[in-house]
Amino acid sequence: AQSVTQLGSHVSVSEGALVLLRCNYSSSVPPYLFWYVQYPNQGLQLLLKYTSAATLVKGINGFEAEFKKSETSFHLTKPSAHMSDAAEYFCAVRFDRGSTLGRLYFGRGTQLTVWP
Amino acid sequence: EAQVTQNPRYLITVTGKKLTVTCSQNMNHEYMSWYRQDPGLGLRQIYYSMNVEVTDKGDVPEGYKVSRKEKRNFPLILESPSPNQTSLYFCASSFRIPGTDTQYFGPGTRLTVL
Repeated sequence: AQSVTQLGSHVSVSEGALVLLRCNYSSSVPPYLFWYVQYPNQGLQLLLKYTSAATLVKGINGFEAEFKKSETSFHLTKPSAHMSDAAEYFCAVRFDRGSTLGRLYFGRGTQLTVWP
Repeated sequence: EAQVTQNPRYLITVTGKKLTVTCSQNMNHEYMSWYRQDPGLGLRQIYYSMNVEVTDKGDVPEGYKVSRKEKRNFPLILESPSPNQTSLYFCASSFRIPGTDTQYFGPGTRLTVL
């Protein structure tokens, strides 16, 4: 079955520390991969996406993610956390197959807390 | 301003009373989608539409209906709401399927079914 898994529902880091949010997908075919951010009481905003071009994808707000086919992973990183990064982050996947072409699968989300 | 709008933003209703949540986008997007967000479950896709008069089921379509009679609007209809449909609902749109183009989300509709 096609799925996407985010490891860790809550991640806490100190301001200035490395942020690492994990995402794994299950598929034999490389999918389209996304990271979204949701700030409190707001809709989702696209951080970055992988569409089979470069495996290292740079997004907004200093975030980047690396697609690793051998590990079926698309982990999100940021070298130095900022207080404004506190939010919920969602990994999402679209599998490019005929019957599910328009379907988007989201992970359960990771709440990032940044301590001063 | 390019945006996805949803109405109402908040709704409290009772079991069995039909309701419609509207979604409209002003970006001439072909693809539109509805999601529900529940704590600990992330977002789950309810229905999506690749274009006018083309709709398909997502992960959790039971209890919902949609229609796409014109490109800009994609209403979500709950014919007989039940308490398990209490949730935060998001509408989203993009020029084409996500991946090819960026998906834009509306502000959300918080629905409570008593």
